[in-house]
Amino acid sequence: DVKVTQSSRYLVKRTGEKVFLECVQDMDHENMFWYRQDPGLGLRLIYFSYDVKMKEKGDIPEGYSVSREKKERFSLILESASTNQTSMYLCASVRRGRYNEQFFGPGTRLTVL
Amino acid sequence: AQSVTQLDSQVPVFEEAPVELRCNYSSSVSVYLFWYVQYPNQGLQLLLKYLSGSTLVESINGFEAEFNKSQTSFHLRKPSVHISDTAEYFCAVSDNAGGTSYGKLTFGQGTILTVHP
Repeated sequence: DVKVTQSSRYLVKRTGEKVFLECVQDMDHENMFWYRQDPGLGLRLIYFSYDVKMKEKGDIPEGYSVSREKKERFSLILESASTNQTSMYLCASVRRGRYNEQFFGPGTRLTVL
Repeated sequence: AQSVTQLDSQVPVFEEAPVELRCNYSSSVSVYLFWYVQYPNQGLQLLLKYLSGSTLVESINGFEAEFNKSQTSFHLRKPSVHISDTAEYFCAVSDNAGGTSYGKLTFGQGTILTVHP
């Protein structure tokens, strides 16, 4: 079974802190994604990566950056956390190809105070 | 660009009743369609998908969805729901461009299905 893990289930940070969210997948998938999930808005794509050191902006990249130094690991970075970044963050991975079935981690619920 | 609209944000039903969760999409190209489910405090899991072929697709736990190209819809149905079906359901679409694909999905807003005893 594909396994996608995220470093924390719950995280509380203060405004202005630098925050790292880590995601690891164990199925050698090429593509990885970071979403944020908010009630009534569904999942919105923040960034995705299609190879090591390669990244592209999603729909809402402002205030975020990412890092992919190894194929299995994709990190989301909040350079200076703000209260409007309080949300559920979901990581996903997929094998490159036509069928696009994404596998998701359990999510990190981030609260910025 | 693609978009997905889930027409109901919340659907309350009684156990053993039928349910339909509605999903409409728009796209200028051919698409793949998915339904994902998110149980409380968990990540998303794939429920079923339409790639090609038969327009009616089924999941292992009794859900089915029908791809209707003329109405650009992919509604999810179950003839008799259980308490354990209580969850949030997301419809998603991706284009089926050939060759290398980034696997990007566009999600709807989600529908919270609550099954009451």
